Amino acid sequence: GAVVSQHPSWVICKSGTSVKIECRSLDFQATTMFWYRQFPKQSLMLMATSNEGSKATYEQGVEKDKFLINHASLTLSTLTVTSAHPEDSSFYICSASPRQSGTLNEQFFGPGTRLTVL
Amino acid sequence: GENVEQHPSTLSVQEGDSAVIKCTYSDSASNYFPWYKQELGKRPQLIIDIRSNVGEKKDQRIAVTLNKTAKHFSLHITETQPEDSAVYFCAAGYSTLTFGKGTMLLVSP
Repeated sequence: GAVVSQHPSWVICKSGTSVKIECRSLDFQATTMFWYRQFPKQSLMLMATSNEGSKATYEQGVEKDKFLINHASLTLSTLTVTSAHPEDSSFYICSASPRQSGTLNEQFFGPGTRLTVL
Repeated sequence: GENVEQHPSTLSVQEGDSAVIKCTYSDSASNYFPWYKQELGKRPQLIIDIRSNVGEKKDQRIAVTLNKTAKHFSLHITETQPEDSAVYFCAAGYSTLTFGKGTMLLVSP
Protein backbone atom coordinates (compact mmCIF):
# COMPACT_ATOMS: atom_id res chain seq x y z
CA GLY A 1 0.00 0.00 0.00
CA ALA A 2 0.88 3.71 0.24
CA VAL A 3 1.57 4.33 -3.43
CA VAL A 4 1.98 7.80 -4.87
CA SER A 5 1.96 8.37 -8.59
CA GLN A 6 3.14 11.39 -10.51
CA HIS A 7 2.42 12.42 -14.06
CA PRO A 8 4.11 13.09 -16.37
CA SER A 9 7.41 11.40 -15.56
CA TRP A 10 9.22 13.77 -17.87
CA VAL A 11 8.30 16.80 -19.95
CA ILE A 12 10.10 19.10 -22.34
CA CYS A 13 8.58 22.48 -23.04
CA LYS A 14 9.42 25.77 -24.67
CA SER A 15 10.31 28.82 -22.66
CA GLY A 16 7.23 30.85 -21.74
CA THR A 17 4.78 27.96 -21.68
CA SER A 18 3.10 26.45 -18.62
CA VAL A 19 3.41 22.88 -17.42
CA LYS A 20 1.11 21.01 -15.06
CA ILE A 21 2.32 18.12 -12.90
CA GLU A 22 -0.11 15.82 -11.12
CA CYS A 23 0.48 13.97 -7.87
CA ARG A 24 -1.95 11.26 -6.79
CA SER A 25 -2.17 9.08 -3.70
CA LEU A 26 -3.51 5.80 -5.08
CA ASP A 27 -4.53 3.86 -2.02
CA PHE A 28 -4.87 6.33 0.82
CA GLN A 29 -6.27 9.76 1.48
CA ALA A 30 -3.68 12.47 1.82
CA THR A 31 -4.78 15.54 3.72
CA THR A 32 -1.34 16.97 3.07
CA MET A 33 0.93 16.76 0.06
CA PHE A 34 4.37 18.27 -0.34
CA TRP A 35 6.19 19.52 -3.42
CA TYR A 36 9.96 19.31 -3.59
CA ARG A 37 12.55 20.31 -6.10
CA GLN A 38 15.77 18.36 -6.52
CA PHE A 39 18.79 19.51 -8.54
CA PRO A 40 21.27 16.91 -9.81
CA LYS A 41 23.24 15.33 -6.99
CA GLN A 42 21.60 17.63 -4.47
CA SER A 43 19.08 17.37 -1.70
CA LEU A 44 15.32 17.72 -1.69
CA MET A 45 14.23 21.32 -1.25
CA LEU A 46 10.69 21.82 0.01
CA MET A 47 8.78 24.24 -2.20
CA ALA A 48 5.34 24.18 -0.66
CA THR A 49 2.88 22.28 1.49
CA SER A 50 -0.43 21.54 -0.16
CA ASN A 51 -3.46 21.14 2.07
CA GLU A 52 -6.72 19.75 0.75
CA GLY A 53 -9.35 22.44 0.43
CA SER A 54 -7.12 25.34 1.41
CA LYS A 55 -4.33 27.47 0.04
CA ALA A 56 -0.85 26.05 -0.18
CA THR A 57 1.87 27.19 2.17
CA TYR A 58 4.97 28.25 0.27
CA GLU A 59 8.52 28.17 1.56
CA GLN A 60 10.52 31.34 1.65
CA GLY A 61 11.89 32.27 -1.75
CA VAL A 62 9.34 30.26 -3.74
CA GLU A 63 7.17 32.41 -6.01
CA LYS A 64 3.49 31.66 -5.48
CA ASP A 65 2.45 33.10 -8.82
CA LYS A 66 5.00 31.04 -10.67
CA PHE A 67 4.38 27.71 -8.97
CA LEU A 68 0.63 27.32 -8.68
CA ILE A 69 -0.56 24.55 -6.41
CA ASN A 70 -4.05 23.12 -6.25
CA HIS A 71 -5.15 20.36 -3.87
CA ALA A 72 -8.68 19.77 -5.06
CA SER A 73 -9.28 16.39 -3.44
CA LEU A 74 -7.82 14.07 -0.83
CA THR A 75 -5.99 12.13 -3.53
CA LEU A 76 -4.83 14.77 -6.01
CA SER A 77 -2.54 17.77 -5.91
CA THR A 78 -1.26 19.62 -8.96
CA LEU A 79 1.73 21.87 -9.48
CA THR A 80 1.66 24.24 -12.44
CA VAL A 81 4.90 25.90 -13.46
CA THR A 82 3.77 29.06 -15.22
CA SER A 83 5.77 30.90 -17.87
CA ALA A 84 8.56 28.36 -17.55
CA HIS A 85 12.16 29.40 -18.15
CA PRO A 86 15.33 27.32 -18.50
CA GLU A 87 16.24 27.95 -14.86
CA ASP A 88 13.03 26.12 -13.88
CA SER A 89 14.46 22.93 -15.36
CA SER A 90 14.70 20.47 -12.50
CA PHE A 91 13.39 17.26 -10.96
CA TYR A 92 10.10 17.89 -9.18
CA ILE A 93 8.96 15.32 -6.62
CA CYS A 94 5.76 15.22 -4.64
CA SER A 95 5.04 13.35 -1.46
CA ALA A 96 1.86 12.55 0.40
CA SER A 97 1.28 12.13 4.09
CA PRO A 98 -1.76 10.76 5.85
CA ARG A 99 -1.27 13.31 8.59
CA GLN A 100 -2.82 12.50 11.93
CA SER A 101 -3.26 14.63 15.05
CA GLY A 102 -1.01 17.37 13.77
CA THR A 103 2.13 15.25 13.91
CA LEU A 104 4.26 14.46 10.93
CA ASN A 105 3.86 10.96 9.56
CA GLU A 106 5.83 9.09 6.96
CA GLN A 107 5.89 10.81 3.61
CA PHE A 108 5.40 8.59 0.58
CA PHE A 109 7.15 9.95 -2.47
CA GLY A 110 6.07 9.97 -6.07
CA PRO A 111 8.52 8.92 -8.81
CA GLY A 112 9.25 12.51 -9.76
CA THR A 113 8.90 14.59 -12.92
CA ARG A 114 11.90 15.69 -14.93
CA LEU A 115 11.16 19.13 -16.42
CA THR A 116 13.36 20.51 -19.17
CA VAL A 117 12.65 24.00 -20.43
CA LEU A 118 14.23 24.87 -23.75
CA GLY B 1 13.55 27.48 10.46
CA GLU B 2 15.11 24.06 10.77
CA ASN B 3 18.66 23.46 9.55
CA VAL B 4 19.95 19.93 9.03
CA GLU B 5 23.62 19.13 8.55
CA GLN B 6 24.66 15.71 7.26
CA HIS B 7 28.09 14.06 7.21
CA PRO B 8 29.93 12.63 5.42
CA SER B 9 28.95 13.63 1.90
CA THR B 10 30.50 10.44 0.53
CA LEU B 11 31.32 7.16 2.23
CA SER B 12 33.10 4.18 0.73
CA VAL B 13 33.19 0.86 2.57
CA GLN B 14 34.00 -2.75 1.83
CA GLU B 15 31.20 -5.28 1.74
CA GLY B 16 30.55 -6.56 5.24
CA ASP B 17 31.79 -3.42 6.96
CA SER B 18 29.55 -1.07 8.93
CA ALA B 19 28.57 2.40 7.75
CA VAL B 20 27.60 5.34 9.93
CA ILE B 21 26.01 8.58 8.74
CA LYS B 22 25.49 11.46 11.12
CA CYS B 23 23.09 14.39 11.14
CA THR B 24 22.53 17.38 13.36
CA TYR B 25 19.46 19.60 13.54
CA SER B 26 18.80 23.01 14.97
CA ASP B 27 15.11 23.24 15.89
CA SER B 28 14.29 21.69 19.27
CA ALA B 29 10.63 21.49 18.18
CA SER B 30 11.46 18.82 15.58
CA ASN B 31 10.06 15.49 16.68
CA TYR B 32 10.27 13.27 13.60
CA PHE B 33 13.51 12.03 12.08
CA PRO B 34 13.27 9.79 9.00
CA TRP B 35 16.03 8.38 6.85
CA TYR B 36 15.51 7.91 3.13
CA LYS B 37 17.44 5.90 0.56
CA GLN B 38 17.45 7.17 -3.01
CA GLU B 39 18.88 5.14 -5.85
CA LEU B 40 19.87 6.90 -9.05
CA GLY B 41 16.82 8.14 -10.95
CA LYS B 42 14.39 6.75 -8.41
CA ARG B 43 12.16 8.11 -5.70
CA PRO B 44 13.32 8.38 -2.07
CA GLN B 45 12.29 5.36 -0.02
CA LEU B 46 11.90 5.44 3.74
CA ILE B 47 14.25 2.96 5.39
CA ILE B 48 13.76 3.82 9.04
CA ASP B 49 12.42 6.64 11.18
CA ILE B 50 12.45 7.65 14.82
CA ARG B 51 10.41 9.99 16.94
CA SER B 52 11.65 12.22 19.71
CA ASN B 53 10.28 10.04 22.49
CA VAL B 54 12.61 7.18 21.49
CA GLY B 55 16.39 7.05 21.70
CA GLU B 56 17.11 4.11 19.44
CA LYS B 57 15.35 1.98 16.86
CA LYS B 58 16.56 -1.06 14.97
CA ASP B 59 15.31 -2.94 11.94
CA GLN B 60 17.51 -5.87 10.95
CA ARG B 61 20.80 -4.40 9.67
CA ILE B 62 19.67 -0.80 10.08
CA ALA B 63 19.55 1.21 13.28
CA VAL B 64 19.01 4.85 14.14
CA THR B 65 19.98 6.64 17.33
CA LEU B 66 18.73 10.01 18.52
CA ASN B 67 20.27 12.35 21.07
CA LYS B 68 17.76 15.11 21.70
CA THR B 69 20.00 16.99 24.08
CA ALA B 70 22.78 17.27 21.54
CA LYS B 71 20.34 17.50 18.63
CA HIS B 72 21.95 14.82 16.58
CA PHE B 73 20.88 11.50 15.12
CA SER B 74 22.74 8.79 13.28
CA LEU B 75 22.11 5.95 10.86
CA HIS B 76 24.00 2.71 11.32
CA ILE B 77 24.12 0.03 8.65
CA THR B 78 25.83 -3.23 9.58
CA GLU B 79 27.07 -5.98 7.28
CA THR B 80 26.84 -3.71 4.26
CA GLN B 81 26.07 -5.19 0.87
CA PRO B 82 26.64 -3.79 -2.64
CA GLU B 83 22.89 -3.21 -2.98
CA ASP B 84 23.11 -0.76 -0.07
CA SER B 85 24.94 1.59 -2.44
CA ALA B 86 22.78 4.70 -2.87
CA VAL B 87 22.33 8.24 -1.60
CA TYR B 88 20.97 8.44 1.93
CA PHE B 89 19.14 11.49 3.25
CA CYS B 90 18.33 12.33 6.83
CA ALA B 91 15.49 14.69 7.61
CA ALA B 92 14.02 16.42 10.63
CA GLY B 93 10.83 18.28 11.31
CA TYR B 94 7.55 18.79 13.08
CA SER B 95 5.01 19.85 10.45
CA THR B 96 7.33 19.81 7.45
CA LEU B 97 10.62 18.04 6.78
CA THR B 98 13.99 19.62 6.21
CA PHE B 99 16.43 17.30 4.46
CA GLY B 100 20.17 16.98 4.84
CA LYS B 101 22.35 17.28 1.75
CA GLY B 102 22.73 13.53 1.42
CA THR B 103 25.48 10.92 1.73
CA MET B 104 26.56 8.86 -1.23
CA LEU B 105 27.34 5.39 0.12
CA LEU B 106 29.41 3.07 -2.06
CA VAL B 107 29.81 -0.52 -0.96
CA SER B 108 32.53 -2.36 -2.82
CA PRO B 109 32.38 -6.16 -3.22
